[in-house]
Amino acid sequence: EVQLVESGGGLVKPGGSLRLSCAASGFTFSSYSMNWVRQAPGKGLEWVSSISSSSSYIYYADSVKGRFTISRDNAKNSLYLQMNSLRAEDTAVYYCARDGGQWLVGGYWGQGTLVTVSS
Amino acid sequence: QSVLTQPPSVSGAPGQRVTISCTGSSSNIGAGYDVHWYQQLPGTAPKLLIYGNSNRPSGVPDRFSGSKSGTSASLAITGLQAEDEADYYCQSYDSSLSGHWVFGGGTKLTVL
Repeated sequence: EVQLVESGGGLVKPGGSLRLSCAASGFTFSSYSMNWVRQAPGKGLEWVSSISSSSSYIYYADSVKGRFTISRDNAKNSLYLQMNSLRAEDTAVYYCARDGGQWLVGGYWGQGTLVTVSS
Repeated sequence: QSVLTQPPSVSGAPGQRVTISCTGSSSNIGAGYDVHWYQQLPGTAPKLLIYGNSNRPSGVPDRFSGSKSGTSASLAITGLQAEDEADYYCQSYDSSLSGHWVFGGGTKLTVL
């Protein structure tokens, strides 16, 4: 069974940093591209970042480019999102999602981790 | 402002059929990129409902169907049930200068 478990969320002050993790199991992690998607309170889904299976290709939404860094450790079956210079508008539930090919962001999703940016 | 446009809400009585539209442009749906649909029940993570325009993952009832034509796509739900009350999102890829993976704004389905 595919499982994705996010961790690392919490309350952080504007300008602060946070590192999210996503532990994957139930599939060959190193064979899949992975994505981060976020959802602000009461709002819709927003794609944040993608990383290919071997980390060769990395993409970011304009809203986080230059502030967020996606990475992965295939030996540890883990996906990461380093978030720096956080803003109030980054407040959201962050989901880890397994790419499904055909430009599909999320064949499988984690339960999400809440990031709150507030003073 | 989402790249893909969905109606904010739709509603229907149990047993009825409802459709949710997803309108894009020549840089996404119209460019031939597949459309996918997700269902998000209250307080839960999104779940893949339709992939590749019209394919259902195993376990998804055949009451749910998807279609795509030109720059638009649609999700149809027949035999509406109370448990279908949720938010529905379409998703595709956009090839414009700053585009990447894009979502619709979401549609809240209310079962009357």
